[in-house]
Amino acid sequence: AQKVTQAQTEISVVEKEDVTLDCVYETRDTTYYLFWYKQPPSGELVFLIRRNSFDEQNEISGRYSWNFQKSTSSFNFTITASQVVDSAVYFCALSERNQGGKLIFGQGTELSVKP
Amino acid sequence: GAVVSQHPSRVICKSGTSVKIECRSLDFQATTMFWYRQFPKQSLMLMATSNEGSKATYEQGVEKDKFLINHASLTLSTLTVTSAHPEDSSFYICSALPGLAGVDNEQFFGPGTRLTVL
Repeated sequence: AQKVTQAQTEISVVEKEDVTLDCVYETRDTTYYLFWYKQPPSGELVFLIRRNSFDEQNEISGRYSWNFQKSTSSFNFTITASQVVDSAVYFCALSERNQGGKLIFGQGTELSVKP
Repeated sequence: GAVVSQHPSRVICKSGTSVKIECRSLDFQATTMFWYRQFPKQSLMLMATSNEGSKATYEQGVEKDKFLINHASLTLSTLTVTSAHPEDSSFYICSALPGLAGVDNEQFFGPGTRLTVL
């Protein structure tokens, strides 16, 4: 069965600190996709990244970076030099190729960045 | 980029009434749309998969007679909450899949509809 676990319910950091949000997934499929979304207080989901199961290269986009490790079934997200505007709930999600595009979301991690 | 709209963004209704929520893909066609529900401080839970021209597929535990889904065109899916009750109060989010499911599985989300049932 597919499952996504975000063990950190809430994280609080001070501005300019680095923070890593953990994501562990379970799947039996060999072809799958992993996502990260940001949900600010407005509620609208903001797409951050999609990674397919065959691409284990880490990715960096500005202050954001992602570490995908199939060996540990993890897809962790790091924000470098955090800013107050990064405060939001972050969701990791999994989609298996043979499931018609359905997304299974983790429980979410609420990040609070204090000035 | 691909844009998905939802209408209304916020609705308050009395218990027992029905509420219709629209989800539109504005600049692409979507054979598949998804409906999610999110309770406060919780994650998004998939309610159903809406396929253009066919019946929706509901997730386990979701009452299909209560949450009616119609996907009449390639750009519009509607969710009707029938005989709404306070426990149906939630944030409803739709998403649309522009390509073939399983190709890259990127879906685009609407801004959500906040339903409050009094």
